[in-house]
Amino acid sequence: SQTIHQWPATLVQPVGSPLSLECTVEGTSNPNLYWYRQAAGRGLQLLFYSVGIGQISSEVPQNLSASRPQDRQFILSSKKLLLSDSGFYLCAWSAIHWEDIGSKLFFGSGTQLSVL
Amino acid sequence: DQQVKQNSPSLSVQEGRISILNCDYTNSMFDYFLWYKKYPAEGPTFLISISSIKDKNEDGRFTVFLNKSAKHLSLHIVPSQPGDSAVYFCAASYISNFGNEKLTFGTGTRLTIIP
Repeated sequence: SQTIHQWPATLVQPVGSPLSLECTVEGTSNPNLYWYRQAAGRGLQLLFYSVGIGQISSEVPQNLSASRPQDRQFILSSKKLLLSDSGFYLCAWSAIHWEDIGSKLFFGSGTQLSVL
Repeated sequence: DQQVKQNSPSLSVQEGRISILNCDYTNSMFDYFLWYKKYPAEGPTFLISISSIKDKNEDGRFTVFLNKSAKHLSLHIVPSQPGDSAVYFCAASYISNFGNEKLTFGTGTRLTIIP
């Protein structure tokens, strides 16, 4: 069965420090990978998605970047964190099903990031 | 531009009664709709979905209704149980130019079931 791992679960970082959040998926090949953020009092905002190694699409301009060095690894990074980067970050994957347009997203357990 | 809207940020329902969560969308390209349930400090989990070619999908206590002409969908939970207390996200999907599904989420509704 497929599993998704995301770490760390919580992170407290000072403003201006770097960030690296990692996500890995097991049990599937060629997944679509996503990074979402849930800011306080807001919905789930798509930050990045990737359909393959080295292929990253950014949904919103921001202080963050994403990379996919391996098929099942997705990394969210920042060189210098801002206060506004605080939030709950979620990694997710979906399978490519051309016949089934309703492929679901499967989420990791999330990382609560507090920038102080 | 909020393409998927959940206008009720919170809802309280007595245990055993029906919970109705509502969602509206604006983008006519959406062709698949999903509901996710989220507990605090956890990732959302898939609950139920519906294709745009249907107007109803039922799974146990959960039923999703879709009204395409009104661009409105709703989630019915009956009977409501304390374990249903969570934040519910509505999401809408379409195939992107890259061939992957792009989900747009609403802002969520916090459901509280009162024992």
